[in-house]
Amino acid sequence: DAKTTQPPSMDCAEGRAANLPCNHSTISGNEYVYWYRQIHSQGPQYIIHGLKNNETNEMASLIITEDRKSSTLILPHATLRDTAVYYCIVSHMNSGGYQKVTFGTGTKLQVIP
Amino acid sequence: GAVVSQHPSWVICKSGTSVKIECRSLDFQATTMFWYRQFPKQSLMLMATSNEGSKATYEQGVEKDKFLINHASLTLSTLTVTSAHPEDSSFYICSASEQFGSGTRLTIV
Repeated sequence: DAKTTQPPSMDCAEGRAANLPCNHSTISGNEYVYWYRQIHSQGPQYIIHGLKNNETNEMASLIITEDRKSSTLILPHATLRDTAVYYCIVSHMNSGGYQKVTFGTGTKLQVIP
Repeated sequence: GAVVSQHPSWVICKSGTSVKIECRSLDFQATTMFWYRQFPKQSLMLMATSNEGSKATYEQGVEKDKFLINHASLTLSTLTVTSAHPEDSSFYICSASEQFGSGTRLTIV
């Protein structure tokens, strides 16, 4: 699997948009970009994924650059409950679910009141 | 949406005992499930890939005789930590089809 690079930590003011970057310069053509977050002592929570088009759901938006070498997860109005470690992952998607992945160190997002 | 249930959420055992952790896909079938381990302040580390009806595939450095994986049905995979010792204390997490279980906090005393 392609590796990803994320900043180790970020702060965001409550109510403002949180923009979390991720570099995945070695991503291959059939690999998807996934974002998860992990709140302390819980399992990772799926946020969003995409292949090459921008995606939006009730939780966040995913912006993927045209060359697919980087992406940005956007939380439009951050709340204190969004404080977590955010992981950007790239992986193939097969019929049984996605292939095994390697988790990086993620970005620790701290939302500040 | 797809839900992965993991049980128990926490367990404390004496050193030398074996502990079984269950991972269930509640509303879908999963031919493949994954088991991870996470130590404090570290990222998730993949331990093994659980394959329904066949042997699990273990990552380098993970002892297959220590961490027994059984995937006997399309909705259940189990991880058994055999002869557990304090260094096996960790947070164990399973996943299937993009979803993760809530994790099991294992403490060996």
